[in-house]
Amino acid sequence: DAMVIQNPRYQVTQFGKPVTLSCSQTLNHNVMYWYQQKSSQAPKLLFHYYDKDFNNEADTPDNFQSRRPNTSFCFLDIRSPGLGDAAMYLCATSRGAADTQYFGPGTRLTVL
Amino acid sequence: AQSVTQPDIHITVSEGASLELRCNYSYGATPYLFWYVQSPGQGLQLLLKYFSGDTLVQGIKGFEAEFKRSQSSFNLRKPSVHWSDAAEYFCAVGIRGSQGNLIFGKGTKLSVKP
Repeated sequence: DAMVIQNPRYQVTQFGKPVTLSCSQTLNHNVMYWYQQKSSQAPKLLFHYYDKDFNNEADTPDNFQSRRPNTSFCFLDIRSPGLGDAAMYLCATSRGAADTQYFGPGTRLTVL
Repeated sequence: AQSVTQPDIHITVSEGASLELRCNYSYGATPYLFWYVQSPGQGLQLLLKYFSGDTLVQGIKGFEAEFKRSQSSFNLRKPSVHWSDAAEYFCAVGIRGSQGNLIFGKGTKLSVKP
């Protein structure tokens, strides 16, 4: 059974056109994370929510925002995608801080 | 600052041969330690983790890893590699008392030849 679900799996957008990526979880975990992973690189944490508390990494561009309307869902909004934002975006969840993180399958974003 | 080093970018082994992937970390205390595997175009799957206790941990798919405090290492091993093990492997460190951020190594790509 899927535990961390990401939609869509592939997303194509145009330069500067806003895009939203979706993540949902059936684990009832408190923490949800968004990572950016560029080709042949390690995942890079963008931000995370501990319940409703939002935590932004210091070097996450302002172009990236997130919403968590309830425990199950978390969204990644890219306001004006640039070519450099093309990447795999991974959502993860954990029960608590510093617990094991469980990852979704990712959304591959292409920017034309 | 905390860091994770995976010294091998790419490793090729023959099917049936043994495997060891290296991971070293830099951190003042004992961290949480993880190994994840990623197949092309997929998310990360947890192989195993170390929080405390027995320093030899068993994971899924026949993998194991040993935490060696004196060497700040958490190397991943498998006695006999299968072609389906070809993937990218990431070592990650979680900092106790933190917000839960994981620090990832840059990954080791494993190729398996027949």
